[in-house]
Amino acid sequence: AQKITQTQPGMFVQEKEAVTLDCTYDTSDQSYGLFWYKQPSSGEMIFLIYQGSYDEQNATEGRYSLNFQKARKSANLVISASQLGDSAMYFCAMREGVGEDFNKFYFGSGTKLNVKP
Amino acid sequence: EAGVTQFPSHSVIEKGQTVTLRCDPISGHDNLYWYRRVMGKEIKFLLHFVKESKQDESGMPNNRFLAERTGGTYSTLKVQPAELEDSGVYFCASSFNRVAGANVLTFGAGSRLTVL
Repeated sequence: AQKITQTQPGMFVQEKEAVTLDCTYDTSDQSYGLFWYKQPSSGEMIFLIYQGSYDEQNATEGRYSLNFQKARKSANLVISASQLGDSAMYFCAMREGVGEDFNKFYFGSGTKLNVKP
Repeated sequence: EAGVTQFPSHSVIEKGQTVTLRCDPISGHDNLYWYRRVMGKEIKFLLHFVKESKQDESGMPNNRFLAERTGGTYSTLKVQPAELEDSGVYFCASSFNRVAGANVLTFGAGSRLTVL
């Protein structure tokens, strides 16, 4: 079974509006971490935001917030006030495991976001 | 601080040839990972080094792929002989060796491999 599922291959949003990118995950671990990365057309992967499984509050980083719903195993990324520079691929990722397996990461297939002027 | 650097950025080779991709992680990062993204699919884990040791190579597709990490510094990923299905973008990432917390991966820009 896929560990990370991103069901939206592509999305459009109007500049200055908010957009939600979906991510669901599959794990039986109690301790895990969830990440979002942005990949602009230049190719580099840029870390955006992190949520630990034990964090009670949703993570926020500037215009990015992570809507963490543990019971539903979802970790959606919300981008507020979209900007043209937000156009990129967005990848959801999960790190699970303890001890020696702690640093194993799984990625989804990505969502391509296009921000329209 | 220099980021993760990968070389070459793009390589075009013919089926049956050999290609070697190189990754220089961030200094001090013991963890080094190789991932691959085939067009339109998820980023798939290939292997994970902790310093010079292979911690996990369960994602390596077959024995045509060989990864090394000399002295726990830079890493190379060799594909020999290359096949058409090896085409994709190969990402390298590194991180500190922590057992708790965020432990964010820092990625390189990727090496795009095209096998004709």
